[in-house]
Amino acid sequence: TQLLEQSPQFLSIQEGENLTVYCNSSSVFSSLQWYRQEPGEGPVLLVTVVTGGEVKKLKRLTFQFGDARKDSSLHITAAQPGDTGLYLCAGGTGGGNKLTFGTGTQLKVEL
Amino acid sequence: EAGVAQSPRYKIIEKRQSVAFWCNPISGHATLYWYQQILGQGPKLLIQFQNNGVVDDSQLPKDRFSAERLKGVDSTLKIQPAKLEDSAVYLCASSLVLTEEQYFGPGTRLTVT
Repeated sequence: TQLLEQSPQFLSIQEGENLTVYCNSSSVFSSLQWYRQEPGEGPVLLVTVVTGGEVKKLKRLTFQFGDARKDSSLHITAAQPGDTGLYLCAGGTGGGNKLTFGTGTQLKVEL
Repeated sequence: EAGVAQSPRYKIIEKRQSVAFWCNPISGHATLYWYQQILGQGPKLLIQFQNNGVVDDSQLPKDRFSAERLKGVDSTLKIQPAKLEDSAVYLCASSLVLTEEQYFGPGTRLTVT
């Protein structure tokens, strides 16, 4: 069974601070996705990374896929209250469209 | 483009009752997924369809859960009889074939009392 562990599980910070969320596994994935989920809504895809070592930037968010394609990180610069939500990583195995979701990181950004 | 539609959004039932959830995927998406999400955790895949066939139902508790996608478009997930531990959000997602990017509906929050 493939497992994706996220850390930290909870994070409460002030507006303007930087933060990093980690997603780790002992398994290799063909792709790694990051989703954000707000209360009462379904997860929304933020980014997909497919190449080991790949770095993608989305405004204040920076995503990195580990060289061995077993881990990933999400870095947020100058966090804003609108960044509040549950962040989920999800690993793809390349066959059958199946994703394995991580354990989740609940982020709260306060004014 | 319309997103994934789910209904109802909320449901409260007593244990041992039955309940059904409905999902309509994004037009043209052949693959449909049902997930169970406990509050604050990552979604757990219950069943995956491609068109009207089941691809993976290895984590579906088949003694009480059933799902169908008869015409390869919309889908229904049923629980009968419900248990207290079934209280969760049930998410439906869809994707194109040969892509791992999934698009989620808003979910149905089920409370079993």
